[in-house]
Amino acid sequence: EAGVVQSPRYKIIEKKQPVAFWCNPISGHNTLYWYRQNLGQGPELLIRYENEEAVDDSQLPKDRFSAERLKGVDSTLKIQPAELGDSAVYLCASRLSGGTGGFADTQYFGPGTRLTVL
Amino acid sequence: AQKITQTQPGMFVQEKEAVTLDCTYDTSDPSYGLFWYKQPSSGEMIFLIYQGSYDQQNATEGRYSLNFQKARKSANLVISASQLGDSAMYFCAMREGGTALIFGKGTTLSVSS
Repeated sequence: EAGVVQSPRYKIIEKKQPVAFWCNPISGHNTLYWYRQNLGQGPELLIRYENEEAVDDSQLPKDRFSAERLKGVDSTLKIQPAELGDSAVYLCASRLSGGTGGFADTQYFGPGTRLTVL
Repeated sequence: AQKITQTQPGMFVQEKEAVTLDCTYDTSDPSYGLFWYKQPSSGEMIFLIYQGSYDQQNATEGRYSLNFQKARKSANLVISASQLGDSAMYFCAMREGGTALIFGKGTTLSVSS
């Protein structure tokens, strides 16, 4: 079974430029998460989707960040315009929703996109 | 207040030795899940082990076991027989209610031969 796929793996841009990240979750996983991981820190949630619906976007800086998951499968996270402080690893994760406890709780992560803003 | 606390920024162990990585958590929700992930230098987050708050027994997955002490709000990861490939960053995380994971700051494990 394929894992969570993300692209690109690395991106270097100049500040004020736009950038987009793509994520394809594990097949059948209805819940999708975007996290941001700053250097030396643990990941922090940006947005959570249940199917097509963004159910938790309270941590998403909405002035410059946007996300979509149009068909309830893959998702795109966009930053426009990028700032120096956006340099981080952007991680996508997915989970099999509907279960409680056990491995139904487990989120599986993609390899991440390492963004460098110059 | 920190929800997940990992007090060991770095740990050093010799190959074949056991090592314990500490994690304490803070929640008032009776239903929660605790996770450990490994993050090698390549960057991916690899799921290692899960413990539910209602689980009576400590979780085990191969060389990994989770020492769950509910009254102390402690969920330490024990790696038996360390291998060179275990060198990585290790994150403790908690899910409470229906929310996403809350991660600690991580512990860097270095295994030497």
